[in-house]
Amino acid sequence: QSALTQPASVSGSPGQSITISCTGTSSDVGSYNLVSWYQQHPGKAPKLMIYEVSKRPSGVSNRFSGSKSGNTASLTISGLQAEDEADYYCCSYAGSSTFDVVFGGGTKLTVL
Amino acid sequence: EVQLVESGGGLVQPGGSLRLSCAASGFTFSSYWMHWVRQAPGKGLVWVSRINSDGSSTSYADSVKGRFTISRDNAKNTLYLQMNSLRAEDTAVYYCARDRSMMVFDYWGQGTLVTVSS
Repeated sequence: QSALTQPASVSGSPGQSITISCTGTSSDVGSYNLVSWYQQHPGKAPKLMIYEVSKRPSGVSNRFSGSKSGNTASLTISGLQAEDEADYYCCSYAGSSTFDVVFGGGTKLTVL
Repeated sequence: EVQLVESGGGLVQPGGSLRLSCAASGFTFSSYWMHWVRQAPGKGLVWVSRINSDGSSTSYADSVKGRFTISRDNAKNTLYLQMNSLRAEDTAVYYCARDRSMMVFDYWGQGTLVTVSS
């Protein structure tokens, strides 16, 4: 059960855009349009930001967008704001033959 | 308002047992699949287990298979995680999460800390 691969950290200045990648395999990210992204501030529970690759839950800013190509999914945050500084985790359905869900290792976003 | 409130965490010795609970409110608990996700101190999120809406189907991460048991009581709107044969590497904050559909976790509890240490 290998975790999805994310960069450990990314950074950007206020107003800029950043993209966080999430690389899996043909057994998870590549096989299903069931990638989701979660934001977690220190000491807080995770919050759903994107689901089914590119859909935004009600209440999530349209500055957050998601996409996928092959075995790699991406989260893009445009117009960076200070409150976007947090950890971000991708997650993919991985089928029910071995395990259902796999998370990425997480990416620390720093807003400079 | 949807609320998930975990309880039951604490300090336990290696080889010991603990049962976590997750009290749900603000939605029709019996209609949703539920999950447990854990996070070791300073580490990332790791999926632990899931249960379908009526409790007839469960799934586990390899790391806890055979030691942990997920269950639910829909009459009490409560999710459980029975943890046996605990190891130091099980030390983590354990979150319960609601599955809105197809393994998408739309609501999370605040978490409960489990520490396995002698």
